[in-house]
Amino acid sequence: LAKTTQPISMDSYEGQEVNITCSHNNIATNDYITWYQQFPSQGPRFIIQGYKTKVTNEVASLFIPADRKSSTLSLPRVSLSDTAVYYCLVTEGNTGKLIFGQGTTLQVKP
Amino acid sequence: GAVVSQHPSRVICKSGTSVKIECRSLDFQATTMFWYRQFPKQSLMLMATSNEGSKATYEQGVEKDKFLINHASLTLSTLTVTSAHPEDSSFYICSAPRTGRENIQYFGAGTRLSVL
Repeated sequence: LAKTTQPISMDSYEGQEVNITCSHNNIATNDYITWYQQFPSQGPRFIIQGYKTKVTNEVASLFIPADRKSSTLSLPRVSLSDTAVYYCLVTEGNTGKLIFGQGTTLQVKP
Repeated sequence: GAVVSQHPSRVICKSGTSVKIECRSLDFQATTMFWYRQFPKQSLMLMATSNEGSKATYEQGVEKDKFLINHASLTLSTLTVTSAHPEDSSFYICSAPRTGRENIQYFGAGTRLSVL
């Protein structure tokens, strides 16, 4: 499974756009890029998944360059409730097995 | 709503007792489920893969006799922490890939185990 690297922590203010970049240099052809959000004492929650280019849903956008060696999670206009740990994972197409890295702790300030 | 239900949410037990944690997939079948452990301010660590109808696959360093996994049906996997000790105190989380979207995991709410 490809290893991911992302910043340990980020600070932001309410209403700002937050971009969290993740590198996954060894991503394989069949791998997808998936982001999860975790609040304290809760299980992770699926945010978004992509394979290439750009994916957008109701909560976030995911930008993936052509070489797929990195990806950027974009959270538009964050609020205090977006304070959480965000995990970037590379998932195999068939097994579903996930290996979590350290994640990025996002602190949104008023 | 939750697609994976985990029970109980919190357990406090005495050292030496065994604790069973249940993980259920709601409105879908899961031939595979995963169990994780998370210590405070750390990331999730995959413990094992639970396989319906066959033995669980444990990650390196996880004691299979300590953490018994049973995948009794297509919607239920259980993790039993046998003879629990204070060092087993942790946050245990299960997940299951939804049928047809096997590369997306849906997680339970987690179980906080405190061993006195």
